[in-house]
Amino acid sequence: EPEVTQTPSHQVTQMGQEVILRCVPISNHLYFYWYRQILGQKVEFLVSFYNNEISEKSEIFDDQFSVERPDGSNFTLKIRSTKLEDSAMYFCASSGIGFNQPQHFGDGTRLSIL
Amino acid sequence: DAKTTQPTSMDCAEGRAANLPCNHSTISGNEYVYWYRQIHSQGPQYIIHGLKNNETNEMASLIITEDRKSSTLILPHATLRDTAVYYCIVRENKAAGNKLTFGGGTRVLVKP
Repeated sequence: EPEVTQTPSHQVTQMGQEVILRCVPISNHLYFYWYRQILGQKVEFLVSFYNNEISEKSEIFDDQFSVERPDGSNFTLKIRSTKLEDSAMYFCASSGIGFNQPQHFGDGTRLSIL
Repeated sequence: DAKTTQPTSMDCAEGRAANLPCNHSTISGNEYVYWYRQIHSQGPQYIIHGLKNNETNEMASLIITEDRKSSTLILPHATLRDTAVYYCIVRENKAAGNKLTFGGGTRVLVKP
């Protein structure tokens, strides 16, 4: 069964450094998403992306964050200058075209900011 | 904020059916009910979704009340691997791209 893959599984970064989290969505999916989950808290929506544009973003997704689809297979989340509070699990998801297509999630990248 | 209410936790016996309730009394006519689960240290896993008719797939059954104000996810024969947090989510019927809003879910522990 096709799946969403994320790399790395764990990223440790010094505060203030830039970090790029990578995702390979399911191959025929055209909608892409990032969510995050701070330890012990709810899964929170960050951003959705379609046709090389952001469709929707949350208040969390400020100027420090950006997303990109650099080629036909990867979808990335960049955090420009990391803060301690960015430490979380980051989940990528993708969904197909059409009404009520479910989102399928990867197993996440654990981001630890020191 | 999430538009659903679920029990915080529940236990069930291995091999028995697990019935997970969800209240969504403010659901609107164009909103679907989705169920996801999150096994420890993994990403959310899609289970099933429905609008008003009962739905069944290889993982579970979804029973939606006639007034659509509540639903029940049924795991027919729970196994230890079904131990997870289960999320009931209402989501607007749009072509695609709309976000999922997760609540706290129900922490299900399947016991031998």
